Amino acid sequence: QQPVQSPQAVILREGEDAVINCSSSKALYSVHWYRQKHGEAPVFLMILLKGGEQKGHEKISASFNEKKQQSSLYLTASQLSYSGTYFCGQVNFGNEKLTFGTGTRLTIIP
Amino acid sequence: DGGITQSPKYLFRKEGQNVTLSCEQNLNHDAMYWYRQDPGQGLRLIYYSQIVNDFQKGDIAEGYSVSREKKESFPLTVTSAQKNPTAFYLCASSMEGARNQPQHFGDGTRLSIL
Repeated sequence: QQPVQSPQAVILREGEDAVINCSSSKALYSVHWYRQKHGEAPVFLMILLKGGEQKGHEKISASFNEKKQQSSLYLTASQLSYSGTYFCGQVNFGNEKLTFGTGTRLTIIP
Repeated sequence: DGGITQSPKYLFRKEGQNVTLSCEQNLNHDAMYWYRQDPGQGLRLIYYSQIVNDFQKGDIAEGYSVSREKKESFPLTVTSAQKNPTAFYLCASSMEGARNQPQHFGDGTRLSIL
């Protein structure tokens, strides 16, 4: 089952903050975050593992609430380069499939 | 430079025709994946392979086939049974399985029906 992302779209002025949420109805082993610019391939941002371990870029911040099966991506002091569509992905226990959400489109304006 | 190469960048298919999309990686990754992306949508998993000579169906495998004869290569064939093949196809790889490893993506192939 596909994770649910919110909001679907958000527009920010440069320097503002944003939070993107990702929810699942199943127990998760890990949550992944990617950013895709229009017409390009997705780029890895972060992995959050059960137990609290994180792998990713230093400038990216995220959280993973294992009890609620929810993850949030925090974008602070946004820059124009942050624009794009953000996808969360989930891996459930017992398989090696990464299932992506439908995405959150982020637009940063000067 | 290490990376994933997908070819061709654009591909056109005639009715009833099978077409094959190429995906090659020189990252020495064990796992490889194929995703389909429709306009304004997320990525949906078609097939994945964790080791050579082994692969598993993803969420939308009908109408597609794959092979994994070499570690570096994971070609995807879109068969005539796939009635709506127009989409952006992305190949990815990871060092090990998907659970705790980032996936590296190729630049994609855009497939259209003639």
